[in-house]
Amino acid sequence: NAGVTQTPKFQVLKTGQSMTLQCAQDMNHNSMYWYRQDPGMGLRLIYYSASEGTTDKGEVPNGYNVSRLNKREFSLRLESAAPSQTSVYFCASRDRDTGELFFGEGSRLTVL
Amino acid sequence: RKEVEQDPGPFNVPEGATVAFNCTYSNSASQSFFWYRQDCRKEPKLLMSVYSSGNEDGRFTAQLNRASQYISLLIRDSKLSDSATYLCVVNILRQNNLFFGTGTRLTVIP
Repeated sequence: NAGVTQTPKFQVLKTGQSMTLQCAQDMNHNSMYWYRQDPGMGLRLIYYSASEGTTDKGEVPNGYNVSRLNKREFSLRLESAAPSQTSVYFCASRDRDTGELFFGEGSRLTVL
Repeated sequence: RKEVEQDPGPFNVPEGATVAFNCTYSNSASQSFFWYRQDCRKEPKLLMSVYSSGNEDGRFTAQLNRASQYISLLIRDSKLSDSATYLCVVNILRQNNLFFGTGTRLTVIP
């Protein structure tokens, strides 16, 4: 039972490079999320998708774009990476009935 | 003002001790409440939901005080394996987002 799978687990970028973080869930959840976690800041929402075909900004959307490709997949793109985007990124999906969030294992991104 | 505030700790307690964490939330429209556990360099995982009447799961007890806008987590008979960061999470009515506290770090010492 895979749950939420995100790739890559680790990535090092140079300033200005682009990359896409991939996320897929196999629990048939409608809602999916991208968070970043920084020391002392907690988890902050970047973007979320309440259902297939919809996306909305969270607290810290600047510098990111997302695509809800289908019900399973929700990707996060950094068009021009900046050192301030060095962080741990978590994808999550949410069970509508219980409200529980299920997280992927995280992607550690370093921007030099 | 942050939606959710927690004492970051760290809390260092001996095995067998009882420890309690509090978390305050600012929005009175907050509807659902959760405690998540996060181990070092791992993803957060649900520990327990918090119900209005309070709820217990083994050594863990969660309570909600709507009047004072805080939730608490009590851990009895602490085990070494309880060492982790505990995240308070709040969902506000009609908002799809969940708001996370910064977490309270617990270390249980042998």
